[in-house]
Parts: sequence; C-alpha cells; structure tokens
Amino acid sequence: TQLLEQSPQFLSIQEGENLTVYCNSSSVFSSLQWYRQEPGEGPVLLVTVVTGGEVKKLKRLTFQFGDARKDSSLHITAAQPGDTGLYLCAGGAGNMLTFGGGTRLMVKP
Amino acid sequence: EPEVTQTPSHQVTQMGQEVILRCVPISNHLYFYWYRQILGQKVEFLVSFYNNEISEKSEIFDDQFSVERPDGSNFTLKIRSTKLEDSAMYFCASSGDRDNMNTEAFFGQGTRLTVV
Repeated sequence: TQLLEQSPQFLSIQEGENLTVYCNSSSVFSSLQWYRQEPGEGPVLLVTVVTGGEVKKLKRLTFQFGDARKDSSLHITAAQPGDTGLYLCAGGAGNMLTFGGGTRLMVKP
Repeated sequence: EPEVTQTPSHQVTQMGQEVILRCVPISNHLYFYWYRQILGQKVEFLVSFYNNEISEKSEIFDDQFSVERPDGSNFTLKIRSTKLEDSAMYFCASSGDRDNMNTEAFFGQGTRLTVV
C-alpha cells in the first residue's frame, strides 16, 4: 500500500511570512500533484510534477519533486490571507491517486 | 474553462436505500474516477473507468458499488443498500485526452451523501 504523509498537519502564520509544507513517501510515484481544497468543495489542481528534481513555480508558490520521486515540497513566499486553505498532495500510480492527509494552512492578517 | 459537474450537490437517503450519484466529466477526457472523503479523513480512491470498463478499483469498491457510463456524457456511481458508514463526500474526476493520456485529474465539486 502506497502512503503519503504530509507535514505539518496544521500551520498558522502571519501574513508576509514564508512557509514550506512537505509530502513524503517510501514509495516511488510516476507523478505527484498538489491540490487545494476549500471546505465542502472538491480538490482544485495546482500543479503536477513528473520528473525527479523538477521545480515548478506558480506565482508565489514553488513546488519541488524529489530526485527519487518519493517526496515533494510546496514553498509559499510572503503568504497572504487568501492562501488559507487545505493543501493536499497526491501521488499518481497507474490510474489512481493516493492522497496525503493534507496541511491546513491559516494565514492571519 | 471546462469542468467536471456533479449532481446532486447533497443527497439524503435512508439506510438500505439505493442511490445514484451523477457526474459529467470534461468532454474530451477518457479516464473517469470516483473518490470519496469521509468527514475529516483523507480522500480515498474508489474506482477508475476507461474504455467502458473498470480499469482499477480499491478494496472499498465492493459489490455494493457499481459504475456506469450510460451515454456519451454521464458517468454514474450506484450505491446499493446504503449503510450509515457510506456517508461521505463523493468526488468524480476525469483525466486524459487522446493527445496526452494519464494527465492530471480534475475534480468535481462533490456530492455530499448523508445516510440516515
């Protein structure tokens, strides 16, 4: 069974701070996706990383896929209250995604 | 922007009844999925569907569950004889077109199923 562990589970920071959340596994994934989920809604895709060592940037968000394709990180620069939400990583293997438990981020003004 | 749509947004049913959850995947996608999320827990894979048949399923997807693509646009999840523990958000997703198979999955807004 492939498992994805996300850390931290909860993070509360002030506006303007930087943060990094982690997604780790003992398994290799063919791809890894980051989603953001609002309460009562479906996950919204932020980015997909496929190549080991890959780095992708989405405005103030930087995503990195580990060289061995077992882990990933999401770094947010100068966090804003609008970044508040649940961030999920999901590893792709075949035709299914395995989700991590999520990091719930709160950015206080 | 194309999106996955699900109906109803909320379904309340009595224990033992059958429910059908409906989804319209993104029109040029070829892979369809159902996931569920019990309140406060992880999103869990149920089943994937390609070329009019199930391609993968989890151990959660037992004989109580079935999926169907009754026409060219809809994708349904049927849950027979519902139990209290079937209460969850059910998400439909789709991915992959003819030019780029197995690309990222796009999720619908979900159907909240409450079994009473």
